[in-house]
Amino acid sequence: QKEVEQNSGPLSVPEGAIASLNCTYSDRGSQSFFWYRQYSGKSPELIMSIYSNGDKEDGRFTAQLNKASQYVSLLIRDSQPSDSATYLCAVVRAGNMLTFGGGTRLMVKP
Amino acid sequence: KAGVTQTPRYLIKTRGQQVTLSCSPISGHRSVSWYQQTPGQGLQFLFEYFSETQRNKGNFPGRFSGRQFSNSRSEMNVSTLELGDSALYLCASSPGTGAVGTDTQYFGPGTRLTVL
Repeated sequence: QKEVEQNSGPLSVPEGAIASLNCTYSDRGSQSFFWYRQYSGKSPELIMSIYSNGDKEDGRFTAQLNKASQYVSLLIRDSQPSDSATYLCAVVRAGNMLTFGGGTRLMVKP
Repeated sequence: KAGVTQTPRYLIKTRGQQVTLSCSPISGHRSVSWYQQTPGQGLQFLFEYFSETQRNKGNFPGRFSGRQFSNSRSEMNVSTLELGDSALYLCASSPGTGAVGTDTQYFGPGTRLTVL
């Protein structure tokens, strides 16, 4: 079992729809959770961080964390073609070491 | 603030050679982490340096090493290059002074290494 798992996609949604990206992790001791966006040929850029159970909203993005079920999700409201990218879920298990999932490719169609 | 910078951006080497990559973190950040990204393995943690000391290490062979200088700039070295070392090498910086595990890491543009 991989430490951090994501559906590789592609996840295709129409413009204006809600995109839902999911991530599960195996280590119950995981402390912090991050979502990064990576455009093709570019480096990852941070979208959201979440540390406590529940929802955290930032503009069109909402991160959801459920430690009991060991999953974290990212919702993107009013999806735009510019949101088309690979979304990486990252989990901190020890120190500041990020463990990444394989990423979900999102395609937003006009 | 200027972001994380990495040099060089692109590098071509042959098997058996060694290579040194450089990373300058965001001003004021004291922690620098290195990651390797390949299509097959994804993003994998190499090591983290804080205040010139290696604080965490991933599961990579000893051919991969690094160091950090007093100004927080970091270098990583790969010796005896193999074809499988071809990858995007990413450096990420973070303040390093918050509660462990809560730091936000900001990535540089990466160095694309090709081993022929």
